[in-house]
Amino acid sequence: NAGVTQTPKFQVLKTGQSMTLQCAQDMNHNSMYWYRQDPGMGLRLIYYSASEGTTDKGEVPNGYNVSRLNKREFSLRLESAAPSQTSVYFCASSEQGASGNEQFFGPGTRLTVL
Amino acid sequence: GESVGLHLPTLSVQEGDNSIINCAYSNSASDYFIWYKQESGKGPQFIIDIRSNMDKRQGQRVTVLLNKTVKHLSLQIAATQPGDSAVYFCAEIKNFNKFYFGSGTKLNVKP
Repeated sequence: NAGVTQTPKFQVLKTGQSMTLQCAQDMNHNSMYWYRQDPGMGLRLIYYSASEGTTDKGEVPNGYNVSRLNKREFSLRLESAAPSQTSVYFCASSEQGASGNEQFFGPGTRLTVL
Repeated sequence: GESVGLHLPTLSVQEGDNSIINCAYSNSASDYFIWYKQESGKGPQFIIDIRSNMDKRQGQRVTVLLNKTVKHLSLQIAATQPGDSAVYFCAEIKNFNKFYFGSGTKLNVKP
């Protein structure tokens, strides 16, 4: 199993450009998440999807849109990138089980907006 | 609003010593808590979790303690090794699908 995969690993954008970050998981998890992590800080939730067909806003949704394409894939779109969106973006998936709700993270996408 | 924070941003310990990383939370309406480890350039990795109705849970070389009276969570690592050097985050989980992360503590293990 590959777990959670993200593409691209690195991206540089100019202000105003758009792009989509891709995420896929092969663990058959219902829930998927997008976080951003700024230097020296914890993760902040952008959007999450509790199940296929549903999406909800997290702490910092402004400037982002998401699509839960199917159970495996959850994409994050920046319609008009801004320098404040320079960050590392992590996708995660989880499934509630008897022992809790462990989240599995992808390797991250490092985005720089000039 | 809710906040999950850490008392110490950086902790340095000698190899072989025990490490204690602390976390304070402000909202008691949580389902459970998780400790994550994040190595440089990688995504967070699950270490151990504890339900809100428990006080203590042990794993391999790690123990998590939950004090709901003072809203305090700690992670104890026994016989700390160089491979334990990383940033450690606590996270508070509500409704089983909303995760709130603290800012992290960097653990440096000196050989």
